[in-house]
Amino acid sequence: GENVEQHPSTLSVQEGDSAVIKCTYSDSASNYFPWYKQELGKRPQLIIDIRSNVGEKKDQRIAVTLNKTAKHFSLHITETQPEDSAVYFCAAKGNSGGYQKVTFGIGTKLQVIP
Amino acid sequence: ETGVTQTPRHLVMGMTNKKSLKCEQHLGHNAMYWYKQSAKKPLELMFVYNFKEQTENNSVPSRFSPECPNSSHLFLHLHTLQPEDSALYLCASSQDVSPGAHGYTFGSGTRLTVV
Repeated sequence: GENVEQHPSTLSVQEGDSAVIKCTYSDSASNYFPWYKQELGKRPQLIIDIRSNVGEKKDQRIAVTLNKTAKHFSLHITETQPEDSAVYFCAAKGNSGGYQKVTFGIGTKLQVIP
Repeated sequence: ETGVTQTPRHLVMGMTNKKSLKCEQHLGHNAMYWYKQSAKKPLELMFVYNFKEQTENNSVPSRFSPECPNSSHLFLHLHTLQPEDSALYLCASSQDVSPGAHGYTFGSGTRLTVV
């Protein structure tokens, strides 16, 4: 089955700096890669996603890149703000016996220091 | 609320108790999921229901018993749990589980403590 590894597990940045979170996946058939943000005590929420036919996608201060050959994808947050502090999860969606299963990474706790 | 509602928000139960978690979605989605979120672990998929039919049981112990009476409601029945079952249990829904389906909408979760 799919295996998703996520690094780093914790990340501290100064407000205004950029933050990068990296994930690798094992199943070359995976075709959809969402990122979720979970603030303390709240539910995970989809913040951005990318499909396997696209190399990069941007949404304001957030961007995601995908390298299918290397089987890794990354989340980039620019001009970080304190409200970006949260746990971020990457995920990969691939095939599992005909059902497309989402496998999550372990999460990265991002702290933005004012 | 984002359309996926879970109750209760918090639950403390003894190892001999029987309790149920409830999830309800008003998004018109056809697929619903139970995930377990433990500290320092990835989100663990437990069960998947698509159009009320269970399509995935991710090797979950029988002390967890799901029920999906219709596409809008999902239950997780709990009995004789162990302390290591203490975790945040998240319900999620998506349009369906076909290749066209994408992101999940999560509920706020039930924080379960087994004593």
